[in-house]
Amino acid sequence: AQSVTQLGSHVSVSEGALVLLRCNYSSSVPPYLFWYVQYPNQGLQLLLKYTTGATLVKGINGFEAEFKKSETSFHLTKPSAHMSDAAEYFCAVSPNTGFQKLVFGTGTRLLVSP
Amino acid sequence: DARVTQTPRHKVTEMGQEVTMRCQPILGHNTVFWYRQTMMQGLELLAYFRNRAPLDDSGMPKDRFSAEMPDATLATLKIQPSEPRDSAVYFCASGPGLAGKGDTQYFGPGTRLTVL
Repeated sequence: AQSVTQLGSHVSVSEGALVLLRCNYSSSVPPYLFWYVQYPNQGLQLLLKYTTGATLVKGINGFEAEFKKSETSFHLTKPSAHMSDAAEYFCAVSPNTGFQKLVFGTGTRLLVSP
Repeated sequence: DARVTQTPRHKVTEMGQEVTMRCQPILGHNTVFWYRQTMMQGLELLAYFRNRAPLDDSGMPKDRFSAEMPDATLATLKIQPSEPRDSAVYFCASGPGLAGKGDTQYFGPGTRLTVL
């Protein structure tokens, strides 16, 4: 069975500050890992994903995440927050074999203050 | 710009009424997912299809919910009879079905259902 834990249901940062959203996963097989973003009153949108290869993954809007197998983590970062980054962020995991559904975390709401 | 479309965007109904939500997946995608999002439970997978066949609907209350894909361009989610606890935002997502390659899911804008 696979699961995802997102630490912190809410994270607050000031505009221009570093954004760090935490995600830890549990998987019995090598995983694929995803970050999705949900803006108010919209569906989820893929930010980035890790499948194979380079463990540092760059996504849209300046976000990146690093897969650390030893720490079972896939934290999302952005060097400088913008007001437009305020949204809810979901980490998700799936096995890397066959076709399997995604298992989503509970989400972290990012608040950005001026 | 290919998108998943969902209708209706908002639905208010009374307890006991039938509700039908529709989804048009992105053309060429062969996987379709239905999710429910609430404040209390977060994002829950209700059902998913591959090549129009249901692969997993274990997350769906079987007594009142049903999901179908009459054809490759339409997925439906029905609730009969509806109850106030069904109030939620229902999302449809589709994907190209890249087995073993980290399939990306593309979400629609959702149907906000309120059952009075």
